[in-house]
Amino acid sequence: ILNVEQSPQSLHVQEGDSTNFTCSFPSSNFYALHWYRWETAKSPEALFVMTLNGDEKKKGRISATLNTKEGYSYLYIKGSQPEDSATYLCAIGGSNYKLTFGKGTLLTVNP
Amino acid sequence: AAGVIQSPRHLIKEKRETATLKCYPIPRHDTVYWYQQGPGQDPQFLISFYEKMQSDKGSIPDRFSAQQFSDYHSELNMSSLELGDSALYFCASSSGLAGLYFGPGTRLTVT
Repeated sequence: ILNVEQSPQSLHVQEGDSTNFTCSFPSSNFYALHWYRWETAKSPEALFVMTLNGDEKKKGRISATLNTKEGYSYLYIKGSQPEDSATYLCAIGGSNYKLTFGKGTLLTVNP
Repeated sequence: AAGVIQSPRHLIKEKRETATLKCYPIPRHDTVYWYQQGPGQDPQFLISFYEKMQSDKGSIPDRFSAQQFSDYHSELNMSSLELGDSALYFCASSSGLAGLYFGPGTRLTVT
């Protein structure tokens, strides 16, 4: 069973701050990592899918990196805005093709 | 393209009643996930099924049960409903590592 850890569990930042949070996973049995953005009462939105060690993806002010050898991924948000407030979920796909989710990081951006 | 279908979209039940939520995954998706999001709370993983077998279990109360049928649709059965069960229930489906696709959710209100 894959154990996906996300930290911190919750995070409060001021508008304009840049922030980042972590997804940790076993480095063995790794196939792909997914990041999702989940706003309250909405369906989760897929942000990135990464598979290769050293992958870096960017979407607007949000970017992510992947280190499969040490088993972690960072999600960065530059210049946080109140509309960035959401839960950010990380999910790992292993060799059995089942996605295992972390518990998420709840980001609150204060105006 | 077909998306994940959830029914009903809204449901109002009284305490101690039973509710059944249905999820119809995207065709050829073999994995279904159920999530619960209470008012102002983080989404909580409940349970998942892969090829009609339970594959992972999260914070699902004993009063709840779920299954995936031969046509891959899934049902979440909730008995002895409590006020605290009022929440948005999301279903998601996936196939391999193609990513997770979320349904629009069912809003359950227990009065």
